[in-house]
Order: sequence, then structure tokens, then C-alpha cells
Amino acid sequence: DSGVTQTPKHLITATGQRVTLRCSPRSGDLSVYWYQQSLDQGLQFLIQYYNGEERAKGNILERFSAQQFPDLHSELNLSSLELGDSALYFCASSVAASGNYEQYFGPGTRLTVT
Amino acid sequence: GENVEQHPSTLSVQEGDSAVIKCTYSDSASNYFPWYKQELGKRPQLIIDIRSNVGEKKDQRIAVTLNKTAKHFSLHITETQPEDSAVYFCAASKAGANNLFFGTGTRLTVIP
Repeated sequence: DSGVTQTPKHLITATGQRVTLRCSPRSGDLSVYWYQQSLDQGLQFLIQYYNGEERAKGNILERFSAQQFPDLHSELNLSSLELGDSALYFCASSVAASGNYEQYFGPGTRLTVT
Repeated sequence: GENVEQHPSTLSVQEGDSAVIKCTYSDSASNYFPWYKQELGKRPQLIIDIRSNVGEKKDQRIAVTLNKTAKHFSLHITETQPEDSAVYFCAASKAGANNLFFGTGTRLTVIP
């Protein structure tokens, strides 16, 4: 158990819908990263938040957005869903803003768009 | 930005043999190199990492070596066991970079 929690575990929804994925970082960690992993693919970095502020953006679509709240949990919002958005979505947390510190991953949310 | 290449993409070994996975990176300023193990449908787990001030680090059956001059680092697993079967990802980052740059993964299969 990494100490990072994600809900829900599974999500099945229809094209065009909107969903929200939730992540709670390890105690003491201020950074939250979001990654997308499509079937048999690598880890695509989406976005990073540190202490409530957006720090870095990766390959995140305009239909996706995220935020980090004062209690440091983060939410990833996916809208106008398409079949190709079906994937595992992981969040990871780290103590620092810089990428050269350990990142610990949550169990992931499996999103299926039908 | 940083570019991390990982080889091989698949690797099969007999139980008890050693496995080696290699990664190269492009940014000479990178100074942090973690390795993650991901079992099917599970989260990536940090199994070992190394910083650029050392050349090798061991933890029981796993070790990582770093060659800063050649800009490559490797994961070594000795006495492989079936439970070592998974996808392994290398990554690199540096101070001031906001994220890890991941390799494309190696699917390791340990044949009993």
C-alpha cells in the first residue's frame, strides 16, 4: 500500500459524459501528478499540482482539467468523453515540487467509455 | 526535454536466471533514476532508485547501475522468480523538472 488513495476503482460511462476522478496523496506529500495509461501502453503524464497550484502540464487534452484543494486532495475532470479516453488513470504523490523525488502511485481508476 | 529509451520491450528468462533491462537518457543534467514494477492491472510500484552521485545501488536481488558518461542506467534482477514477471518502467528527472520522464516499459516473463 503506497498511502495514495484513488476513487472510484472502476467507472463505466457513455460517450459525451463527464466524470470526476479523485485522489488523496500520502500524508505529508504536497505534489500530485496525474497519468493516463491506455491498454498495454506506457504512462502518459497529464498534469501536476503542488500545494494547490498547477505546476506542469503534459499531454492533457483541453477536455480534461484538474484541481488540488486546500486539503491537498486532487480531482481530475474528464468531459465530452470519447471511446479513446478509456484507460487507467493513476495519480501519484511526492513530497516536493521537483520531479527528482520519489513518486508513489495510487491504485488507479479504470475508466471505460462505451 | 528529456527523452528516455528503454530496451528490450519484452524479455523472457528461465527461473533462476538473471534479467537486465537498459535505459538511456538524453539530458545530461538528469540526476534521479527510479525503476517501477507494474503487475497486470495494478499500480506502478517504486522498486529501486539511484541518484547521480553513486554508480550502483543494490537491494537484495535487484540492483541498478548508472553510467553518467554514457547516459545510461540498467536494472539487474538476479535469481529471477515467477513473481518477478511484470512490466518494468525506468524514468529520469532532474532538479527543477516538474515530472518524471518514463521509458516505454519492458515486459518481463519468468518461465518456471
